Amino acid sequence: DAKTTQPPSMDCAEGRAANLPCNHSTISGNEYVYWYRQIHSQGPQYIIHGLKNNETNEMASLIITEDRKSSTLILPHATLRDTAVYYCIVPTQAGTALIFGKGTTLSVSS
Amino acid sequence: DTGVSQNPRHKITKRGQNVTFRCDPISEHNRLYWYRQTLGQGPEFLTYFQNEAQLEKSRLLSDRFSAERPKGSFSTLEIQRTEQGDSAMYLCASSLFGQETQYFGPGTRLLVL
Repeated sequence: DAKTTQPPSMDCAEGRAANLPCNHSTISGNEYVYWYRQIHSQGPQYIIHGLKNNETNEMASLIITEDRKSSTLILPHATLRDTAVYYCIVPTQAGTALIFGKGTTLSVSS
Repeated sequence: DTGVSQNPRHKITKRGQNVTFRCDPISEHNRLYWYRQTLGQGPEFLTYFQNEAQLEKSRLLSDRFSAERPKGSFSTLEIQRTEQGDSAMYLCASSLFGQETQYFGPGTRLLVL
């Protein structure tokens, strides 16, 4: 998998936007960027993925730079329930193992 | 709830005993994955199946570990002669062939005493 780099931790005030960055400078042209999160003691939860264009769903928005070397996951109005470890993953090949790094621990406080 | 279920959710066993975990994937998903997660680390890949065929095994999957998916539906992961180092969360995920999105179950937390 393309190597990804994320900050180890971030803080966010409840109700504010949380912007989680990820660097993936070795990404190839046909590789997607995936975001998962893991709330304490639960299984990882799929959030969103994208290739080139920005994507939005009911959970978050994904902004991918034009050169595709970095991306930002945006939680528009963070709540306490968004406190979790967020993983940015670039799978090398469809259907194979996901390689999880250490992710970013997001702490949302009131 | 992603639709992937795992049983049991928790298991405590004594060193040397055998344990078996079960995973029921989302019904139409033909790929099934097992991961292991130790405290403070991200999940690590163990093995995956496409239908009933086991296509890839990680070096983490020692000879004491065996996984099966006999009818291409549910899967079992067995650990023989458990060791304290096997204490971890065992996660199952499933996906549809041709799509990369994996959906995870809640995990089985194993404690080996």
